[in-house]
Amino acid sequence: KQEVTQIPAALSVPEGENLVLNCSFTDSAIYNLQWFRQDPGKGLTSLLLIQSSQREQTSGRLNASLDKSSGRSTLYIAASQPGDSATYLCAVRSGGYQKVTFGTGTKLQVIP
Amino acid sequence: DAGITQSPRHKVTETGTPVTLRCHQTENHRYMYWYRQDPGHGLRLIHYSYGVKDTDKGEVSDGYSVSRSKTEDFLLTLESATSSQTSVYFCAISDPQGSSYEQYFGPGTRLTVT
Repeated sequence: KQEVTQIPAALSVPEGENLVLNCSFTDSAIYNLQWFRQDPGKGLTSLLLIQSSQREQTSGRLNASLDKSSGRSTLYIAASQPGDSATYLCAVRSGGYQKVTFGTGTKLQVIP
Repeated sequence: DAGITQSPRHKVTETGTPVTLRCHQTENHRYMYWYRQDPGHGLRLIHYSYGVKDTDKGEVSDGYSVSRSKTEDFLLTLESATSSQTSVYFCAISDPQGSSYEQYFGPGTRLTVT
């Protein structure tokens, strides 16, 4: 059974800092991994998707990497802004394509 | 934003009553999903659909049923609501285009069972 862990559960940083969010998974036979952000009381917004054959994806100030052999993905946020404050979730697709396992998220607060 | 709407957005109901939640998409995506989100558990898959009239169970399907009679609509029914089904329910869609299966989420429905 795939298990996805995100540590830390919460993170507080000053504005402008570069930061890394972590996602670990137990079964390396994944199809893809997707990063989302969730604002309070809202749905999930897709940030980046990395296919199993890829090592990283970039979108603006965000960069996501994938290391299947070690069961890890990282989301790098450059020059953090107060608007980046949200909960960040990773989701791993494996086991027959429609089995998606979510982590419980990292709640990020960027302090002005 | 992907065209996904959920209705109702909020609902309070009593234990034992049936409840139906609706998800509507305008993206013509093949796959549709229902998740529930609870503190400490993250998002868990209830049911999903891979086409009209084609559905399958997720990890927490007991007490729930689904139907998909049109590509754009996916209904989730709680046959007899219980307090343990108090949760936030999210609908999601995806499509195998480019083999990505990237998921897009609706705004959610907050359900309270009293």
